[in-house]
Order: sequence, then structure tokens, then C-alpha cells
Amino acid sequence: QKEVEQNSGPLSVPEGAIASLNCTYSDRGSQSFFWYRQYSGKSPELIMSIYSNGDKEDGRFTAQLNKASQYVSLLIRDSQPSDSATYLCAVNREGGSEKLVFGKGTKLTVNP
Amino acid sequence: GAVVSQHPSRVICKSGTSVKIECRSLDFQATTMFWYRQFPKQSLMLMATSNEGSKATYEQGVEKDKFLINHASLTLSTLTVTSAHPEDSSFYICSARAYNEQFFGPGTRLTVL
Repeated sequence: QKEVEQNSGPLSVPEGAIASLNCTYSDRGSQSFFWYRQYSGKSPELIMSIYSNGDKEDGRFTAQLNKASQYVSLLIRDSQPSDSATYLCAVNREGGSEKLVFGKGTKLTVNP
Repeated sequence: GAVVSQHPSRVICKSGTSVKIECRSLDFQATTMFWYRQFPKQSLMLMATSNEGSKATYEQGVEKDKFLINHASLTLSTLTVTSAHPEDSSFYICSARAYNEQFFGPGTRLTVL
């Protein structure tokens, strides 16, 4: 069964620190990788997308992809209390499928 | 990013009634929309893929006669939960695909008494 695995946490970091969120996936054919942020009681919000190996930076967020290891991560620099949320890793299904498979999410708490 | 709206945001109904949820892409056209369901403390589960002008594609285990999907235009998809029961109480979220990414609506919280 194709899966996306995330450490459920909770992950707790102090304000200003770097938060590191990890995700592994089982389908080698996956081509598109996404990180969503979901606040409690709200719907997911797209944070980052990454399609090729390496790093992709957007403000305080950096996504890292390693297809050989089937691993994708999200780094949040200078973490803020407003970053406290559940972060969902999503991977498209085999090949060019539009469907996404979501991990269970990692709950992040940034302490002031 | 692209904007997706949902209506209503919250609905409470009696067991046995039907509930319709609307999903609209506001600033783009979406030939494909997706419907998800999320139970408390669980991740999103894809229910079905809604295709404009054709029948929806349902995921395994999702009853197509219970969850009716209509995608009548490039900006509107509807999900109707027929004969709702308490076990259907959940957070229903739609998404639409734009620029190779999926953007989510704000969700509809359904409570069936």
C-alpha cells in the first residue's frame, strides 16, 4: 500500500529556533511533493511545493527532496508562535496522477 | 494562490436528511476538483475526484449513491450527503487544481444529530 509517513510529534521548539519536519513516502513513481499547514479547525493551506531533488527556499521555509531516499523535509527558520500548527506532507500518486496522498501530519508547537 | 470557497461552513442536520455542500473556484477554472473528509485527529482522506462534465471517480470504500457529486461547470462542484447519519459527521473539504497544485476550500463541518 502506498503510504506517506510523518512523525506525529508533537514537535516543540522555542521561538526563533529552526523546526525540522520530515516525511517519507513509499511510491518511487511520485513526482510532486507538497507541504501544507493546517491550523486547528481549519482547512490545509499550501506552504511549499517541490518537484526535483535538492532544496527549495521560500522566505523562512525550505523544502528538501531526496528521491533516492524517498524523503522530503520542511525546515522553518526563525520559528514564530504563529507557525504552531499541524504540517501535512502530501505526495502525488504514481506517475502524473493529480491525486494526493497525505501523511497524518506533524503537530508543531513554537513556544514564546 | 488560487482561491476556493465552500458553502456552508457549518451545518447541523437531523439523521435521515440530505445536505448539499458547494465548492467554487473563484478566480480560475477547475476541470478537476477533489472532495476530502477529515475526522478528528486524522489526516485527510480523499473521497472522490470530481470531473467537469463527467461522472465523479470515487475512492474505494466510498459509496457513490450516498455521496452524490455534481460538477456542472468549470467553477462549481457540489457534494450531497444523502440520508445522513451521525457517523457521517465530519469535516468535508474540497480542493481544486491550479498551476499543478491543489488549493483547498475552507471546509464544511457537518454534524448529524
